[in-house]
Amino acid sequence: EPEVTQTPSHQVTQMGQEVILRCVPISNHLYFYWYRQILGQKVEFLVSFYNNEISEKSEIFDDQFSVERPDGSNFTLKIRSTKLEDSAMYFCASSDGLSNTGELFFGEGSRLTVL
Amino acid sequence: KNQVEQSPQSLIILEGKNCTLQCNYTVSPFSNLRWYKQDTGRGPVSLTIMTFSENTKSNGRYTATLDADTKQSSLHITASQLSDSASYICVVTPLRGYNKLIFGAGTRLAVHP
Repeated sequence: EPEVTQTPSHQVTQMGQEVILRCVPISNHLYFYWYRQILGQKVEFLVSFYNNEISEKSEIFDDQFSVERPDGSNFTLKIRSTKLEDSAMYFCASSDGLSNTGELFFGEGSRLTVL
Repeated sequence: KNQVEQSPQSLIILEGKNCTLQCNYTVSPFSNLRWYKQDTGRGPVSLTIMTFSENTKSNGRYTATLDADTKQSSLHITASQLSDSASYICVVTPLRGYNKLIFGAGTRLAVHP
Protein backbone atom coordinates (compact mmCIF):
# COMPACT_ATOMS: atom_id res chain seq x y z
CA GLU A 1 0.00 0.00 0.00
CA PRO A 2 1.38 3.45 -0.88
CA GLU A 3 2.62 5.44 2.07
CA VAL A 4 4.15 8.76 3.00
CA THR A 5 7.76 8.33 4.10
CA GLN A 6 9.74 10.75 6.25
CA THR A 7 13.41 11.12 7.08
CA PRO A 8 15.08 11.33 9.48
CA SER A 9 12.99 9.55 12.07
CA HIS A 10 14.81 11.43 14.81
CA GLN A 11 17.17 14.40 14.68
CA VAL A 12 18.98 16.07 17.53
CA THR A 13 20.38 19.53 16.89
CA GLN A 14 21.83 22.49 18.71
CA MET A 15 19.82 25.67 19.09
CA GLY A 16 20.47 28.03 16.19
CA GLN A 17 21.29 25.30 13.71
CA GLU A 18 19.42 24.73 10.47
CA VAL A 19 17.38 21.58 10.06
CA ILE A 20 15.83 20.04 6.97
CA LEU A 21 13.12 17.43 7.32
CA ARG A 22 12.33 15.36 4.27
CA CYS A 23 9.16 13.74 3.05
CA VAL A 24 8.24 11.62 0.08
CA PRO A 25 4.49 11.95 -0.45
CA ILE A 26 2.35 9.33 -2.16
CA SER A 27 3.24 9.51 -5.84
CA ASN A 28 -0.03 10.62 -7.42
CA HIS A 29 -0.93 13.09 -4.69
CA LEU A 30 -1.06 16.81 -5.41
CA TYR A 31 -1.53 18.40 -1.99
CA PHE A 32 1.15 18.33 0.67
CA TYR A 33 1.13 19.38 4.29
CA TRP A 34 3.30 19.75 7.35
CA TYR A 35 1.89 19.39 10.83
CA ARG A 36 3.67 19.31 14.15
CA GLN A 37 2.91 17.85 17.55
CA ILE A 38 4.72 19.06 20.63
CA LEU A 39 5.00 16.27 23.18
CA GLY A 40 1.71 15.82 25.01
CA GLN A 41 -0.10 18.44 22.94
CA LYS A 42 -2.46 18.57 19.96
CA VAL A 43 -1.38 18.15 16.38
CA GLU A 44 -1.10 21.62 14.81
CA PHE A 45 -1.26 22.70 11.18
CA LEU A 46 1.84 24.39 9.82
CA VAL A 47 1.52 24.73 6.07
CA SER A 48 -0.17 23.37 2.96
CA PHE A 49 1.42 23.27 -0.48
CA TYR A 50 -0.11 22.88 -3.92
CA ASN A 51 1.08 23.52 -7.43
CA ASN A 52 4.56 24.44 -6.21
CA GLU A 53 3.46 27.14 -3.85
CA ILE A 54 2.17 27.59 -0.33
CA SER A 55 -1.62 27.60 -0.30
CA GLU A 56 -2.10 28.23 3.42
CA LYS A 57 0.06 28.63 6.49
CA SER A 58 -0.52 29.06 10.19
CA GLU A 59 0.78 31.67 12.60
CA ILE A 60 3.40 29.15 13.70
CA PHE A 61 4.91 29.09 10.21
CA ASP A 62 6.99 32.24 10.50
CA ASP A 63 10.05 33.40 8.54
CA GLN A 64 12.18 30.71 10.17
CA PHE A 65 10.25 28.05 8.28
CA SER A 66 10.23 27.29 4.58
CA VAL A 67 9.01 24.46 2.39
CA GLU A 68 10.20 23.27 -0.95
CA ARG A 69 9.53 20.60 -3.51
CA PRO A 70 13.01 20.42 -5.04
CA ASP A 71 12.19 17.60 -7.42
CA GLY A 72 9.21 15.53 -8.45
CA SER A 73 9.17 13.39 -5.33
CA ASN A 74 10.56 15.14 -2.24
CA PHE A 75 8.83 17.72 -0.08
CA THR A 76 11.01 19.39 2.52
CA LEU A 77 10.54 21.52 5.62
CA LYS A 78 13.45 23.74 6.58
CA ILE A 79 13.88 25.46 9.91
CA ARG A 80 16.60 28.08 9.51
CA SER A 81 17.62 28.73 13.09
CA THR A 82 16.11 26.25 15.48
CA LYS A 83 14.80 27.26 18.89
CA LEU A 84 14.19 25.08 21.92
CA GLU A 85 10.44 25.38 21.36
CA ASP A 86 10.79 23.83 17.90
CA SER A 87 11.29 20.47 19.58
CA ALA A 88 8.35 18.39 18.39
CA MET A 89 7.23 15.58 16.12
CA TYR A 90 6.80 16.86 12.60
CA PHE A 91 4.33 15.04 10.38
CA CYS A 92 4.16 15.26 6.62
CA ALA A 93 0.86 14.45 4.94
CA SER A 94 -0.43 14.25 1.40
CA SER A 95 -3.77 13.95 -0.36
CA ASP A 96 -4.98 13.56 -3.90
CA GLY A 97 -7.65 16.24 -3.65
CA LEU A 98 -8.99 19.07 -1.60
CA SER A 99 -8.85 18.14 2.06
CA ASN A 100 -12.51 18.95 2.54
CA THR A 101 -13.33 15.77 0.64
CA GLY A 102 -10.13 13.81 0.39
CA GLU A 103 -8.33 11.63 2.85
CA LEU A 104 -5.04 12.80 4.29
CA PHE A 105 -2.30 10.23 4.62
CA PHE A 106 0.27 10.97 7.29
CA GLY A 107 3.85 9.84 7.50
CA GLU A 108 5.33 8.32 10.64
CA GLY A 109 6.86 11.61 11.64
CA SER A 110 10.29 13.10 12.28
CA ARG A 111 11.12 13.77 15.89
CA LEU A 112 13.18 16.94 16.29
CA THR A 113 15.00 17.57 19.53
CA VAL A 114 16.63 20.99 19.95
CA LEU A 115 19.22 21.25 22.70
CA LYS B 1 -12.38 30.51 18.24
CA ASN B 2 -12.46 27.18 16.40
CA GLN B 3 -11.95 24.42 18.92
CA VAL B 4 -12.31 20.67 19.21
CA GLU B 5 -12.71 19.18 22.67
CA GLN B 6 -12.63 15.48 23.46
CA SER B 7 -13.66 13.39 26.41
CA PRO B 8 -12.65 11.46 28.32
CA GLN B 9 -8.98 12.37 28.31
CA SER B 10 -8.11 8.74 28.95
CA LEU B 11 -9.98 5.48 29.28
CA ILE B 12 -9.15 1.95 30.37
CA ILE B 13 -11.34 -0.96 29.30
CA LEU B 14 -11.09 -4.72 29.27
CA GLU B 15 -10.55 -6.62 26.07
CA GLY B 16 -13.83 -7.48 24.38
CA LYS B 17 -15.75 -4.57 25.88
CA ASN B 18 -17.29 -1.70 23.94
CA CYS B 19 -16.57 1.99 24.50
CA THR B 20 -17.68 5.37 23.22
CA LEU B 21 -15.49 8.42 22.86
CA GLN B 22 -16.91 11.94 22.65
CA CYS B 23 -16.04 15.00 20.61
CA ASN B 24 -17.53 18.50 20.87
CA TYR B 25 -16.54 21.20 18.43
CA THR B 26 -17.15 24.88 17.86
CA VAL B 27 -15.83 24.98 14.30
CA SER B 28 -18.48 26.61 12.16
CA PRO B 29 -19.14 26.34 9.35
CA PHE B 30 -17.38 23.06 8.86
CA SER B 31 -16.86 20.78 5.92
CA ASN B 32 -16.22 17.41 7.49
CA LEU B 33 -15.31 15.64 10.69
CA ARG B 34 -12.71 12.91 10.88
CA TRP B 35 -11.60 10.38 13.46
CA TYR B 36 -7.99 9.28 13.49
CA LYS B 37 -6.15 6.59 15.42
CA GLN B 38 -2.63 7.44 16.55
CA ASP B 39 -0.33 4.86 18.05
CA THR B 40 2.34 6.26 20.36
CA GLY B 41 5.14 7.84 18.33
CA ARG B 42 3.41 7.15 15.01
CA GLY B 43 1.47 9.18 12.49
CA PRO B 44 -2.33 9.47 12.63
CA VAL B 45 -4.28 6.93 10.59
CA SER B 46 -7.73 7.78 9.28
CA LEU B 47 -10.68 5.79 10.59
CA THR B 48 -13.72 7.69 9.30
CA ILE B 49 -14.59 10.88 7.44
CA MET B 50 -18.11 12.34 7.66
CA THR B 51 -19.41 15.35 5.79
CA PHE B 52 -21.74 17.74 7.60
CA SER B 53 -24.75 15.99 6.05
CA GLU B 54 -23.85 12.49 7.27
CA ASN B 55 -25.03 11.10 10.61
CA THR B 56 -23.00 7.93 10.85
CA LYS B 57 -20.07 6.16 9.26
CA SER B 58 -18.66 2.73 10.02
CA ASN B 59 -15.28 1.18 9.46
CA GLY B 60 -15.21 -2.37 10.78
CA ARG B 61 -15.56 -2.26 14.56
CA TYR B 62 -15.45 1.55 14.53
CA THR B 63 -18.67 3.55 14.16
CA ALA B 64 -18.69 7.33 14.18
CA THR B 65 -21.78 9.46 14.63
CA LEU B 66 -22.29 13.14 13.97
CA ASP B 67 -24.92 15.59 15.17
CA ALA B 68 -24.25 18.84 13.35
CA ASP B 69 -27.02 20.62 15.25
CA THR B 70 -25.45 20.04 18.65
CA LYS B 71 -21.92 20.00 17.23
CA GLN B 72 -21.14 16.63 18.74
CA SER B 73 -19.59 13.46 17.42
CA SER B 74 -18.85 10.11 18.96
CA LEU B 75 -16.68 7.15 18.08
CA HIS B 76 -17.95 3.76 19.22
CA ILE B 77 -15.54 0.84 19.35
CA THR B 78 -17.11 -2.60 19.47
CA ALA B 79 -15.52 -5.74 20.90
CA SER B 80 -12.25 -4.00 21.73
CA GLN B 81 -8.91 -5.67 21.05
CA LEU B 82 -5.52 -5.11 22.63
CA SER B 83 -4.39 -3.49 19.38
CA ASP B 84 -7.03 -0.78 19.84
CA SER B 85 -4.82 0.75 22.53
CA ALA B 86 -3.95 4.15 21.06
CA SER B 87 -5.01 7.78 21.02
CA TYR B 88 -8.20 8.56 19.10
CA ILE B 89 -8.32 12.03 17.69
CA CYS B 90 -11.31 13.99 16.46
CA VAL B 91 -10.44 16.38 13.63
CA VAL B 92 -12.67 19.02 12.05
CA THR B 93 -12.13 20.66 8.67
CA PRO B 94 -13.38 24.25 8.50
CA LEU B 95 -15.37 25.17 5.43
CA ARG B 96 -13.15 28.21 5.03
CA GLY B 97 -9.46 27.51 5.36
CA TYR B 98 -10.17 23.91 4.55
CA ASN B 99 -6.51 22.96 4.45
CA LYS B 100 -6.18 23.67 8.14
CA LEU B 101 -7.46 20.61 9.92
CA ILE B 102 -8.26 21.39 13.55
CA PHE B 103 -7.26 18.59 15.89
CA GLY B 104 -8.61 17.66 19.27
CA ALA B 105 -6.25 16.58 22.02
CA GLY B 106 -7.37 12.97 21.68
CA THR B 107 -8.61 10.29 24.03
CA ARG B 108 -5.94 7.85 25.13
CA LEU B 109 -7.49 4.37 25.20
CA ALA B 110 -5.86 1.44 26.95
CA VAL B 111 -7.32 -2.02 26.39
CA HIS B 112 -6.27 -4.51 29.05
CA PRO B 113 -6.48 -8.31 28.81
